[in-house]
Amino acid sequence: FMLTQPHSVSESPGKTVTISCTRSSGSIASNYVQWYQQRPGSSPTTLIYEHNQRPSGVPDRFSGSIDSSSNSASLTISGLKTEDEADYYCQSYDDSNQVFGGGTKLTVL
Amino acid sequence: QVQLQESGPGLVKPSQTLSLTCTVSGDSISSGPYYWSWIRQPAGKGLEWIGRIYTSGSTNYKPSLKSRVTISLDTPKNQFSLNLNSVTAADTAVYYCARIGGYNYEFDHWGQGTLVTVAS
Repeated sequence: FMLTQPHSVSESPGKTVTISCTRSSGSIASNYVQWYQQRPGSSPTTLIYEHNQRPSGVPDRFSGSIDSSSNSASLTISGLKTEDEADYYCQSYDDSNQVFGGGTKLTVL
Repeated sequence: QVQLQESGPGLVKPSQTLSLTCTVSGDSISSGPYYWSWIRQPAGKGLEWIGRIYTSGSTNYKPSLKSRVTISLDTPKNQFSLNLNSVTAADTAVYYCARIGGYNYEFDHWGQGTLVTVAS
């Protein structure tokens, strides 16, 4: 299966942005979805795990959800800050594969 | 805390084999339930999962790379390795090793990544 994300999104500081991640086959709810943030030159770090859980240290401005009707997951970032400018990846799996979405470049301007 | 560190040649010639090692500290690669995985990222592009190995030694590989990839464990050294044969310029990328949680399949710890260039 594939995970499809928008290539890029942009929004102003203080606003809210949502990044979608659509699963091509199989139910989005059947396997956990994770979200990672990657800044230039750095390894990815987990923002959301198990669809909607935040690791300690991740601000509550970041939230995750799934929608079975559209077979998609979403990452919502509220109160945007310039430091949120980065690449964001969704990830899920099946019995024998791990799959990453293509990534979304977030521009905060 | 768990740390992972990739090592290996930064330059590989076309048609040869790319070999990388990931040294794990702060955890035993033989204790579960975890997978140990390789991911790569060409410059300016997204993350591509290569494969994973369970603590038991069972492996799964991305189907499009399966014919060229081998991932193995070296339990005494607490390392795991990646071999990718018959490389071309398209295999040039930053290669990451990572740990995957065996319950939620989250990539919960990553190495810093190492750039491998395929060129003659």
